Amino acid sequence: GQSLEQPSEVTAVEGAIVQINCTYQTSGFYGLSWYQQHDGGAPTFLSYNALDGLEETGRFSSFLSRSDSYGYLLLQELQMKDSASYFCAFPTGGFKTIFGAGTRLFVKA
Amino acid sequence: GAVVSQHPSRVICKSGTSVKIECRSLDFQATTMFWYRQFPKQSLMLMATSNEGSKATYEQGVEKDKFLINHASLTLSTLTVTSAHPEDSSFYICSAREQGASYGYTFGSGTRLTVV
Repeated sequence: GQSLEQPSEVTAVEGAIVQINCTYQTSGFYGLSWYQQHDGGAPTFLSYNALDGLEETGRFSSFLSRSDSYGYLLLQELQMKDSASYFCAFPTGGFKTIFGAGTRLFVKA
Repeated sequence: GAVVSQHPSRVICKSGTSVKIECRSLDFQATTMFWYRQFPKQSLMLMATSNEGSKATYEQGVEKDKFLINHASLTLSTLTVTSAHPEDSSFYICSAREQGASYGYTFGSGTRLTVV
């Protein structure tokens, strides 16, 4: 089947670095994406990794290892506004996107 | 960037009535849109794929007669929840991707449906 696993919650302090891991299982893999969702809001696209390696976009970076079926989202210089849910996801052959259960990130002062 | 507008943002309806939710791509054409449902503190569950000019494709377990999807133009898809019941109360979100854009789907702002 197709599935993604990520931790349910992560807590970190303002200014710190946090890593949210994601492992996946699928027969056809096209890439791994990450979305951010604040409570009551819609998901916002953060990044997409089609190839192995690290993609950096400002304070956020995303990593993929296709051989390990594993990726992570790295958030640096954490800010209070980063408190949100983060979903890893992958597209399927029909352009549908399958989402993980989400990781709630709590940033403390 | 690409913008997807979803309306209404909140709706409260009586049990047994129908509710229509609109999803519009404002500055791009979307031959395919997706409808998701999200319960509190849970993930987004794909309900159906909306295809312009043809029938929607529903995910397993989603009742096509209850969740009517119409994609009449390249910029508009609608989801109608028919004969709504309290268990249909949820956050409904649509998404679309602009062709040729860097990968990533744009989501509408979501509709919070409460059936009383």
